Amino acid sequence: NAGVTQTPKFRILKIGQSMTLQCTQDMNHNYMYWYRQDPGMGLKLIYYSVGAGITDKGEVPNGYNVSRSTTEDFPLRLELAAPSQTSVYFCASSYLNSRGESYEQYFGPGTRLTVT
Amino acid sequence: TQLLEQSPQFLSIQEGENLTVYCNSSSVFSSLQWYRQEPGEGPVLLVTVVTGGEVKKLKRLTFQFGDARKDSSLHITAAQPGDTGLYLCAGKSGSARQLTFGSGTQLTVLP
Repeated sequence: NAGVTQTPKFRILKIGQSMTLQCTQDMNHNYMYWYRQDPGMGLKLIYYSVGAGITDKGEVPNGYNVSRSTTEDFPLRLELAAPSQTSVYFCASSYLNSRGESYEQYFGPGTRLTVT
Repeated sequence: TQLLEQSPQFLSIQEGENLTVYCNSSSVFSSLQWYRQEPGEGPVLLVTVVTGGEVKKLKRLTFQFGDARKDSSLHITAAQPGDTGLYLCAGKSGSARQLTFGSGTQLTVLP
């Protein structure tokens, strides 16, 4: 299994440009997440999804959009990129255990985005 | 909003020394996880603790969940350069569908 894959690994955007960060998982996990991590900091949740067709906002959703049309894919869309969105973006997935609780999260390798 | 505070934020020690990293909150969590993140990579799960007072060992790493399930600690014995990385704690409350991450402890073990 490839686990969680993210593309691209690096990207430089100009202010006002748009882009989509791709995330795919092959573990049949129903939960998927997008985080951003600023230098030396922990992870802040942008959006998450509990299944295909269902998405919800996290702690810092402004300036981002997501969609979940399939179990495997959870793309993150940046519209009108701003310097404040310079960060490393991580996608993660998790599963429900037998008690219906989501547990361990499996992370992708990240996308390093710079907006200038 | 649930917050997890980690301390210290930075820690630099010599190979062979022992260390403890703390993760504290005023909120109760149904489970707490510890992740390690190496430069240029995503976090990788080390352990999950779910019972108050629980202690789990992973080779030289010992994890403890507080009795009240509001705090946790990670103790590393005889640290090695390979232990270098960002250590993140993450908690889940019973009703939440996502984790709350701490700000992390950046550990550097010098040879």
